[in-house]
Amino acid sequence: QKEVEQNSGPLSVPEGAIASLNCTYSDRGSQSFFWYRQYSGKSPELIMSIYSNGDKEDGRFTAQLNKASQYVSLLIRDSQPSDSATYLCAALNTGGFKTIFGAGTRLFVKA
Amino acid sequence: DTAVSQTPKYLVTQMGNDKSIKCEQNLGHDTMYWYKQDSKKFLKIMFSYNNKELIINETVPNRFSPKSPDKAHLNLHINSLELGDSAVYFCASSQDRVSGNTEAFFGQGTRLTVV
Repeated sequence: QKEVEQNSGPLSVPEGAIASLNCTYSDRGSQSFFWYRQYSGKSPELIMSIYSNGDKEDGRFTAQLNKASQYVSLLIRDSQPSDSATYLCAALNTGGFKTIFGAGTRLFVKA
Repeated sequence: DTAVSQTPKYLVTQMGNDKSIKCEQNLGHDTMYWYKQDSKKFLKIMFSYNNKELIINETVPNRFSPKSPDKAHLNLHINSLELGDSAVYFCASSQDRVSGNTEAFFGQGTRLTVV
């Protein structure tokens, strides 16, 4: 079992729609979770971090965490073509010194 | 003012050569990492250092030798390069878990091509 799993996509949504990205993790001791965005040829860029169960909103982005289900999600509202990228889910392991990434979900937002 | 900087950005070299990649962070972070991103874009951790000490070595071949002269620098030396080493190598840093701010910040990457 992979430590952090994501649907590789691609996920295609029309401009203005909500994009929903999902992720599960296997380390029950993980306490910190992150969403990164990576454009082609660029480095991963942090979008959101979440540490507690529930929702965390930042502009058009909402991260959701459910530790009981070991599930993390990212909602992007009013999706824009500039949101087209690969979204990486990551979890910090129990030891605290290893951030493990999922394989990423490719998102395409069609104008 | 780049937070995590690595050099070079591109590296093309022949099989069997030895090469180094340098990384520096000016964020005052305690933890630094090397990640490898292969052609399928999977980002896999290689090493993790905390305050110059090796914490994580993800069963990376001995040909890869990281060195951290101080907590702001983490270099990666690769001996006897192989075709399969071709990838993008990312350096990253984060504050330690005690502070609670554990987000990793990445350098711009080094695209290594072994021919």
